[in-house]
Amino acid sequence: QKEVEQDPGPLSVPEGAIVSLNCTYSNSAFQYFMWYRQYSRKGPELLMYTYSSGNKEDGRFTAQVDKSSKYISLFIRDSQPSDSATYLCAMNGNRDDKIIFGKGTRLHILP
Amino acid sequence: GAVVSQHPSWVICKSGTSVKIECRSLDFQATTMFWYRQFPKQSLMLMATSNEGSKATYEQGVEKDKFLINHASLTLSTLTVTSAHPEDSSFYICSARRLAVHYNEQFFGPGTRLTVL
Repeated sequence: QKEVEQDPGPLSVPEGAIVSLNCTYSNSAFQYFMWYRQYSRKGPELLMYTYSSGNKEDGRFTAQVDKSSKYISLFIRDSQPSDSATYLCAMNGNRDDKIIFGKGTRLHILP
Repeated sequence: GAVVSQHPSWVICKSGTSVKIECRSLDFQATTMFWYRQFPKQSLMLMATSNEGSKATYEQGVEKDKFLINHASLTLSTLTVTSAHPEDSSFYICSARRLAVHYNEQFFGPGTRLTVL
């Protein structure tokens, strides 16, 4: 079993829809959870960071962590064509541990 | 703030030559930098962790003699791909860690696309 599983997509949704992106993981020691957005031929940029379980909201983005299920989600409200990108989940256990990335989900927002 | 640059952004070289890629943290000091490799439609694969003033730590399966890493200052790390071959063609991304209270805050460069002919 891989440490982090993420559906590669592609996921296509109409503009304005709510997008749900998810990852599962196997290591119960993970407690720092991140979502990165990566545009084609660019480096990843940090979108959201969450520590332990719970929800975090930032504008149109909401990150959720359910440690009991080892499941994390990123929700995008009022999706825009500019949200079209690959979204990578990432996580680690201790602050100084290397970060483990998911494979990324390719998202297409259709105008 | 927290900008990381990479140079060059793309490079084409002949098989057998060496290529150097620079990674710079422009507005903060990075005691630790990371080098990743990314194949099309694949995730980031950590190649090595580079600490300023010490030898890099390579991940299992990464040839340290082929991928030379130097982290001579708090704002610059370099990756040299020696005797490059077509299978080394990939997207190389660096990141720099900025110390934060709560988590390992990494900022990524824009990446370097290497094509070996």
